[in-house]
Amino acid sequence: NAGVTQTPKFRVLKTGQSMTLLCAQDMNHEYMYWYRQDPGMGLRLIHYSVGEGTTAKGEVPDGYNVSRLKKQNFLLGLESAAPSQTSVYFCASSYGGGGTYQETQYFGPGTRLLVL
Amino acid sequence: QQPVQSPQAVILREGEDAVINCSSSKALYSVHWYRQKHGEAPVFLMILLKGGEQKGHEKISASFNEKKQQSSLYLTASQLSYSGTYFCGTERAGSYQLTFGKGTKLSVIP
Repeated sequence: NAGVTQTPKFRVLKTGQSMTLLCAQDMNHEYMYWYRQDPGMGLRLIHYSVGEGTTAKGEVPDGYNVSRLKKQNFLLGLESAAPSQTSVYFCASSYGGGGTYQETQYFGPGTRLLVL
Repeated sequence: QQPVQSPQAVILREGEDAVINCSSSKALYSVHWYRQKHGEAPVFLMILLKGGEQKGHEKISASFNEKKQQSSLYLTASQLSYSGTYFCGTERAGSYQLTFGKGTKLSVIP
């Protein structure tokens, strides 16, 4: 049981390049999330999904797109990378399933992205 | 809107106690606490639900004041392993999202 995995672990991009970050979970969780973490800013939600085929915007969605074609995978795309997108990106998943409150979120190990 | 955590940083000696606070200007349904060690992913500690129910860590306690929209995390008899950055995440009713604070860096020294 691997939990939440993220690919790649580290990437360097030039301004204007595009890339996709992959998040996979094997816990059969309904909900998945993408966060970015910058020094002194905590974790900020980019996009999230409450089930296969659904996505929604979080707090800082500009410059990112997401897709959830399969329940176990959640992809984060950068259309045209900018230096301001240099950050550590964390994926998380939770059970969801119609509970009355937000269940525990399980985080992946993170992806460090540097945009030059 | 991000919840406000205080203090921003604290240094403790082993065995000392600490309290970390989290406050929000919005009505909350639940408050979650996570700990993150340097270079690692955040790890779940505790959930506090509206109505007083708690779920989580055995050696760490917390409270949730629904009237004030505030939560406090109590770390007693601190150990070196308690070092890390503590984040609170707040949930508004029906949102199924967490909004995290900026974190409190806790350092425990021998």
